[in-house]
Amino acid sequence: GAGVSQSPSNKVTEKGKDVELRCDPISGHTALYWYRQRLGQGLEFLIYFQGNSAPDKSGLPSDRFSAERTGESVSTLTIQRTQQEDSAVYLCASSFGAEETQYFGPGTRLLVL
Amino acid sequence: GNSVTQMEGPVTLSEEAFLTINCTYTATGYPSLFWYVQYPGEGLQLLLKATKADDKGSNKGFEATYRKETTSFHLEKGSVQVSDSAVYFCALSSGGSNYKLTFGKGTLLTVNP
Repeated sequence: GAGVSQSPSNKVTEKGKDVELRCDPISGHTALYWYRQRLGQGLEFLIYFQGNSAPDKSGLPSDRFSAERTGESVSTLTIQRTQQEDSAVYLCASSFGAEETQYFGPGTRLLVL
Repeated sequence: GNSVTQMEGPVTLSEEAFLTINCTYTATGYPSLFWYVQYPGEGLQLLLKATKADDKGSNKGFEATYRKETTSFHLEKGSVQVSDSAVYFCALSSGGSNYKLTFGKGTLLTVNP
């Protein structure tokens, strides 16, 4: 596609529910990243996928967070048992390879009530 | 660890005014430095970057020089336009995981006609 796309654009959920956020990277990009931006904060790195290598999950804040990627395509970020502090904008990015310029999607704005 | 501190906004300027947004960093090794911009309703876009000391990144009339001695990467533009209104993020990548970007909190710039 023309750019990185994410869905949904907005999600409101109740505390304790699970949510799934989707990212479609730019076609041909082997690297995919998830970041989180909480209100008034900079972006925080969550997880990185590169080809068939094991993902770098070092930024995931708790075991309620997980992410998958099928090959070099779509990725899903799942948050289980959501908490109010999970409210944030979740941004996905992709790049042609590791350490190449990252192209960002528009983000998913998550609100946990 | 790595960190980025950038000037807090919001910054409000008149068209054709001079712009400076300060950015300083703390990093291990020799980081690459970036400015990203987020226009209203759009995803983050790379504005410019510099990968070694004394490099100057430039794009769309914006410039930033990598100053190792002052650990700074200040963004400047000589004459801003209304269309430059956006949020600007300073970021770095460093160390063995150069794909991980560390971001500042962002600076909202509003340019009035």
